[in-house]
Amino acid sequence: DGGITQSPKYLFRKEGQNVTLSCEQNLNHDAMYWYRQDPGQGLRLIYYSQIVNDFQKGDIAEGYSVSREKKESFPLTVTSAQKNPTAFYLCASAQPRDSKTSGNTIYFGEGSWLTVV
Amino acid sequence: ELKVEQNPLFLSMQEGKNYTIYCNYSTTSDRLYWYRQDPGKSLESLFVLLSNGAVKQEGRLMASLDTKARLSTLHITAAVHDLSATYFCAAYSGGGADGLTFGKGTHLIIQP
Repeated sequence: DGGITQSPKYLFRKEGQNVTLSCEQNLNHDAMYWYRQDPGQGLRLIYYSQIVNDFQKGDIAEGYSVSREKKESFPLTVTSAQKNPTAFYLCASAQPRDSKTSGNTIYFGEGSWLTVV
Repeated sequence: ELKVEQNPLFLSMQEGKNYTIYCNYSTTSDRLYWYRQDPGKSLESLFVLLSNGAVKQEGRLMASLDTKARLSTLHITAAVHDLSATYFCAAYSGGGADGLTFGKGTHLIIQP
């Protein structure tokens, strides 16, 4: 089945440690996104990528890094510079909004819970 | 900068009643999305509204868009317990940014 797979579902990070969240999609979408959700809050955009080997910062990129070496993969690294990383992280994908073949829908993965211990 | 505001943020209602969730956005946006989220789960796409006057319906939920007023509504008809969830609206950011700007969500509890 087509979809977005995030792993791990639960992750614990020690102080000063970098951790990487995986996001893989088999929808053949060009655009991929990472969002952060804090309890009782909406989602905030961390990074996005519209094409392989290119990505842009979102609203809260500090303390995070990404790569887009393959169309289907968009991993997010939470670095030690991110002082409050405990949150629910959601990866999403879509065709770019100016795409003639865009279906307009943005699909989300199941999410990853990150907790600092 | 695009801002999206939802109200109410919390709503408790009885089964069988009707209610509306409002979503205001601050600058021009060419798409408005509604999502549902169950506790601890990801987001499920409900509606995508693309033009002024757009109305979409799925079961007991109906969404509409007024781009001139920068307002979208999600109307719930004859609510049932299974509709209990958090509902988010989101709009596309303007300028060079991509991705969605989300409201804070409306936590909806429907009591039998």
